[in-house]
Order: sequence, then structure tokens, then C-alpha cells
Amino acid sequence: KQEVTQIPAALSVPEGENLVLNCSFTDSAIYNLQWFRQDPGKGLTSLLLIQSSQREQTSGRLNASLDKSSGRSTLYIAASQPGDSATYLCAVRRGSSNTGKLIFGQGTTLQVKP
Amino acid sequence: SQTIHQWPATLVQPVGSPLSLECTVEGTSNPNLYWYRQAAGRGLQLLFYSVGIGQISSEVPQNLSASRPQDRQFILSSKKLLLSDSGFYLCASNRGEKLFFGSGTQLSVL
Repeated sequence: KQEVTQIPAALSVPEGENLVLNCSFTDSAIYNLQWFRQDPGKGLTSLLLIQSSQREQTSGRLNASLDKSSGRSTLYIAASQPGDSATYLCAVRRGSSNTGKLIFGQGTTLQVKP
Repeated sequence: SQTIHQWPATLVQPVGSPLSLECTVEGTSNPNLYWYRQAAGRGLQLLFYSVGIGQISSEVPQNLSASRPQDRQFILSSKKLLLSDSGFYLCASNRGEKLFFGSGTQLSVL
């Protein structure tokens, strides 16, 4: 059974700091991994998607890496800003079908202090 | 890109009352549709998914049901709500790799 874990559950950093969020999964047979952002009381917004054959994806100040063999992914946020404060969730998709059965971690709640 | 409409945004219902949450999708055709629930302090749990009209798969046994009467419409229902049905309900859609979410419905059963 695939389990996705995100550590830490919460993180508080000063503005401008570079930071890394961690995601681990127990079954390396994944199709892809996706990072999401969730603001309080809102839906999820997709940030980055990494296919199982890829090592990393970048979008602006965000960089996500994937090490499938070790069951780990990281989300690197450069020069953090107060607007980055949110909960970040990672999710893995098993198999190759398009039914979107993503298994989610419980998220890391990030607070960036001005 | 896809846009997912969910309503209402918040809902307070008494135990034993019925429920109907509606989700509609714009900007795509024949999407896969999903209902997730996010309970306080827990991750997202997939409740139902649908690959086409009238096709519903349930992931976990529960007090809820889902229907897909039209290609881009997905409905979550219950005949009698339980306290344990409280949570944040999210509709999602994908036609391709990425999953897109609606803004969610916060359901409180009292």
C-alpha cells in the first residue's frame, strides 16, 4: 500500500530564506509526482509535475526533484516571500492509467515571516 | 485550461438531513472527475471517481454516493448525513497528467 509522508508538518522561516520541503513515498512504482499549494479554505493549485522518468522540474523560484529509487521528492523554494505562506502537498500517481488516483501526503504548512 | 465550479462554498447541515454538492467543469470535454474529502488534520482522501457519464467508482465504503448525469457535471449526495461526514470536499478534474481542483465546500454537520 502506497503511503506518502511529508516532514515537517509545519515550518516557519524569515522572508528571503531558501527552503526545502520533503516528501517520501513507500512504493517506488509511481507514474508521476505532483506538488500542490493550498491556501486556507481553498482548493489545491498544481505547482509542478514530475514524470517518473524525470529528475526535476522548475517553475520560477520553485524547483522540484525526484529520486524514485529512494522514494523521495523535494520542493525547493528560493528567496521565500510572505506570499509563499500556504500548505504544500505532494501526491504520487500509481500505474500508467489516467484515472488520477493520486495518493496525497498530509502537507507541510509554511509560514514566511516578513 | 480547465475551470472547476463548486458550490456552495460553505454548508451547515443537521445530522440526518440530505446533501447535494454539485461540481461542473469548463474548458475540457470527457474529463475524469473526482470527489476528495479533506478532514481536519488529515490528508486528502479520494471518495469517488468517474471516467464517463454514469460511470462511478467508489474508493471507500461510506454514507455518500456520487452521480455523473452529464459529461461535465459531478454530484456528491447523501440521504442522511452523519457527524463524521463533516469535512472539506473538493471536486477535481483531469484530462491529461495534471489534476485541477475546485475551490471546495466546507461542510459542517451538527
